[in-house]
Amino acid sequence: GENVEQHPSTLSVQEGDSAVIKCTYSDSASNYFPWYKQELGKRPQLIIDIRSNVGEKKDQRIAVTLNKTAKHFSLHITETQPEDSAVYFCAASIGAGAGGTSYGKLTFGQGTILTVHP
Amino acid sequence: EAQVTQNPRYLITVTGKKLTVTCSQNMNHEYMSWYRQDPGLGLRQIYYSMNVEVTDKGDVPEGYKVSRKEKRNFPLILESPSPNQTSLYFCASGRSWVTGELFFGEGSRLTVL
Repeated sequence: GENVEQHPSTLSVQEGDSAVIKCTYSDSASNYFPWYKQELGKRPQLIIDIRSNVGEKKDQRIAVTLNKTAKHFSLHITETQPEDSAVYFCAASIGAGAGGTSYGKLTFGQGTILTVHP
Repeated sequence: EAQVTQNPRYLITVTGKKLTVTCSQNMNHEYMSWYRQDPGLGLRQIYYSMNVEVTDKGDVPEGYKVSRKEKRNFPLILESPSPNQTSLYFCASGRSWVTGELFFGEGSRLTVL
């Protein structure tokens, strides 16, 4: 099955700096890659996602890049703010059209604890 | 208000005592799934359901059962809980199983003594 590795496990930055979190996946059939943010004591919430037919996607201070050949994707947060402090999870899944028996399986990475210091 | 509701939110139980964690969504979503969250391991998928009467195993299904008799409900059943099932459990739903945003419940913290 799919295996998603996420690095680093913890990341500490100063307010205003950029933060980058990287994930690698094992199943070349994966074609959907969401990122979730989980604030302390809260539920995970989707912040951005990318599909395999796109190399990069941006939403204000957040961007995600995908390298299908290398099977890795990254989350980039620019101009970090203290409210960006949270646990971030990457995930990978196989959606419609990809064949196989893995429909519906969404595999998450281990999570990155991001701390933004004022 | 669109939401995924889990109950109970907190539960302490003993080994072997059957329990059910309920999950209900009011968004008419086809897709529902259960995850457990443990420190350093991220979110691991237990079971998922692509529609009514369609369920399948995730990555860590051992010791759990699910059913999907109605579109809105997806209960998680622990027939004989053990201490290694102590965890934070999240139910989630999505518009379809194809791909797209998952909406998570608030989580259920389960402790098995």
